[in-house]
This record gives sequence, structure tokens and C-alpha cells, in this order.
Amino acid sequence: AQRVTQPEKLLSVFKGAPVELKCNYSYSGSPELFWYVQYSRQRLQLLLRHISRESIKGFTADLNKGETSFHLKKPFAQEEDSAMYYCALYNNAGNMLTFGGGTRLMVKP
Amino acid sequence: SQTIHQWPATLVQPVGSPLSLECTVEGTSNPNLYWYRQAAGRGLQLLFYSVGIGQISSEVPQNLSASRPQDRQFILSSKKLLLSDSGFYLCAFGQSYNSPLHFGNGTRLTVT
Repeated sequence: AQRVTQPEKLLSVFKGAPVELKCNYSYSGSPELFWYVQYSRQRLQLLLRHISRESIKGFTADLNKGETSFHLKKPFAQEEDSAMYYCALYNNAGNMLTFGGGTRLMVKP
Repeated sequence: SQTIHQWPATLVQPVGSPLSLECTVEGTSNPNLYWYRQAAGRGLQLLFYSVGIGQISSEVPQNLSASRPQDRQFILSSKKLLLSDSGFYLCAFGQSYNSPLHFGNGTRLTVT
């Protein structure tokens, strides 16, 4: 069965510091991975997906199949990055999205 | 444009009472529809998903059920609520295979 693990429930960094939110997955097929973000009082929304290979709001995520990881990174954190972040994985049929437990990022001034 | 509506935003219900949460999607046809429960520290738990009218897949055995009476309508129900049903429920839709999900604003359910 597929599983997504986000080992850190809370990550606190200072503004301007690099940030890395960890995501590990277990899956037998070819993974389809996403990062979602939920800002305070807003709905959960897509941040980025691995096949896009793009940078959104300064965040990037690289799929490492050898380590089965999809960590989210940003070189210089901003206070507005404070939010809840979820890593998610689709099943082979592409119709069931499994989420990790989430990591709350707090960026301090 | 595509939108998703979920209501009510908050609900307080006594133990043993029935439940009906509704979700509708606009601007797309034949979406994949989902119900998740979001619990503090435990992330999003997939409860049900549907790839078409009348097609419901359940991921977690529980006191809840789901129905899809129309293409863009997804309903979460219970005949008798338990205290453990309290939580934050999210509806979502995806356009197709492997597509990103779009979430509603959620319903905060408190069972007393």
C-alpha cells in the first residue's frame, strides 16, 4: 500500500534562512507527487507537482527515486511562507491521492 | 471557471443524530470527487472517492457513507453520529487521472 511520511510536524526557522520540508514515500509504481499548502484561514491549495519541475513562490521539490523522497526546499524563507504543508502521492490508477501528516512551517522575523 | 462549494461551514450535532454534508462542483463535467477528514497532527485522511455517478469507493471503515446522486454533487452522510466523528471535513475534485485536486473550504463538525 502506498504511504507518505512527513517526519516533522513542526519546523521553525528564521526569515532568510533556508528551509527543507521532508517527504518520504513508499510506493511500488511510478510516483506522481505533489506539495499542497494551507495558509491561515485559506483553503488547501496546490503548491507544485513533480512533473512540472517548476519553482513556485521560490519553492522547489526534486523527486529522488533512490531515496524515495520528495523534499520541498526554499533557499530563503519569508514570513509569508508560514503555513501547513502537505506532501501527497497518487496511486497507479491516478484516482486516489494519499496525503502525509503535514508539516507546520513557522518563519520567525 | 471551475469552483467547488461545500456547506455548511460549521455544524454542531448531538450524538446519535444524522448528518448530511453537501458538496457541489461547477465548471467541469465528470470530475473525480473526494471526501477527506483533516485531523490535527494526523494530516488528511481519505474517506471516500468517486469516479462517476453512483460509484463510491470507501477507504476507511467507519460510521459514515457517501453518495453521488448527480455528476457534480457529492454527499457525506451518517445515520447516527458518534463523538469520534468530530473533525474537519474537506471535499475536493480532480478533473482527470493524476490531476491536482481542488478543495472546498471545509466543514467543521462538532459532535456533542
